[in-house]
Amino acid sequence: DTEVTQTPKHLVMGMTNKKSLKCEQHMGHRAMYWYKQKAKKPPELMFVYSYEKLSINESVPSRFSPECPNSSLLNLHLHALQPEDSALYLCASSQDQLGYTEAFFGQGTRLTVV
Amino acid sequence: AQTVTQSQPEMSVQEAETVTLSCTYDTSESDYYLFWYKQPPSRQMILVIRQEAYKQQNATENRFSVNFQKAAKSFSLKISDSQLGDAAMYFCAYRVTGNQFYFGTGTSLTVIP
Repeated sequence: DTEVTQTPKHLVMGMTNKKSLKCEQHMGHRAMYWYKQKAKKPPELMFVYSYEKLSINESVPSRFSPECPNSSLLNLHLHALQPEDSALYLCASSQDQLGYTEAFFGQGTRLTVV
Repeated sequence: AQTVTQSQPEMSVQEAETVTLSCTYDTSESDYYLFWYKQPPSRQMILVIRQEAYKQQNATENRFSVNFQKAAKSFSLKISDSQLGDAAMYFCAYRVTGNQFYFGTGTSLTVIP
């Protein structure tokens, strides 16, 4: 199984809503990532979890709250988002050691904030 | 600072022809990894090819090959016998030890039938 599965694929939410994005992998990878991507732009790193601990937070606003309940799951909790937060949110995973270095990406969640 | 530069925002190639996408990077690290990812309209980022910096031999994967010039910090992707399914956004990426990936700005490739 070389898949990273993200749900939902599309999400429309109001600015007062609370929602969560989910990401799952069963490759035994110990590093998991959240990226935000605007149209025709590269992915922007938001968070990195390494061995289920938050290791990188790229100064992301607190209305985005990551959670790593176990080594296979990564969530992104959303609250009081702004329209400019509308984007494609990508989850990725990789082995947390040299020799297994590429990141595997999910298909993303297309988020629209209205 | 780690940076990755793709100087060609858009490229086009005739079907069955060859195209080269350029990428340069800046790093003070000696041990790192380089990647080309493809992102079709379906959105998923797919690994095309990777290169370990300590290897002098250029990586190849079927119709895809790289020209890795470590001293020049250059990592170009050559696509041979281009196919319609190759049309996508291509991102060059770089990773040092640890978990941080750095992406270039991308090149949008159009394949003309």
